Amino acid sequence: AQSVTQLGSHVSVSEGALVLLRCNYSSSVPPYLFWYVQYPNQGLQLLLKYTSAATLVKGINGFEAEFKKSETSFHLTKPSAHMSDAAEYFCAVSDPGGYQKVTFGTGTKLQVIP
Amino acid sequence: DGGITQSPKYLFRKEGQNVTLSCEQNLNHDAMYWYRQDPGQGLRLIYYSQIVNDFQKGDIAEGYSVSREKKESFPLTVTSAQKNPTAFYLCASSIRTAYGYTFGSGTRLTVV
Repeated sequence: AQSVTQLGSHVSVSEGALVLLRCNYSSSVPPYLFWYVQYPNQGLQLLLKYTSAATLVKGINGFEAEFKKSETSFHLTKPSAHMSDAAEYFCAVSDPGGYQKVTFGTGTKLQVIP
Repeated sequence: DGGITQSPKYLFRKEGQNVTLSCEQNLNHDAMYWYRQDPGQGLRLIYYSQIVNDFQKGDIAEGYSVSREKKESFPLTVTSAQKNPTAFYLCASSIRTAYGYTFGSGTRLTVV
């Protein structure tokens, strides 16, 4: 069974600083990996996904993530934080294939300090 | 615009009552999912359906029931057997897993 671990339930950065949200996965097969963002009292929105193509994946709002098999990691980064990036971020993993169950991490709340 | 509509946004349930949460999508997605979100616990899968008239239990199905009579609709009933139903419920759909999920805006259920 696959699982993800998000290190740090809360992360604070200054506006303009680097954003780094950590995600490590456990999977017995090459996985699909996802990052989602959730604003308060809303649903989740897909930021980016890795499905065995390029290991550096670019997403919306200037975010990107790199799949590192040797480290079983899929960390989310953004070079310069904006106030509008304050939200909760979820890493998720699934087995590859047509219709698979997706397992979500427990989330990391990002605070951006002006 | 295509998307997923969940209703109501807020729902209050008395002890012993069954309540039904609505989820409708116009994306022509085959697969639909129900997740429960509690603070600090991420999202936990309740039920999922890959095709009309077929659905499977997720990790926390006890106390919940679903139906999938139409491709567009996947309602969730929270029964009186669910002892701790207060949570934020999210419905999602997908074409295939590789494309990611599209989520609705959620229903917040509170037991009063």
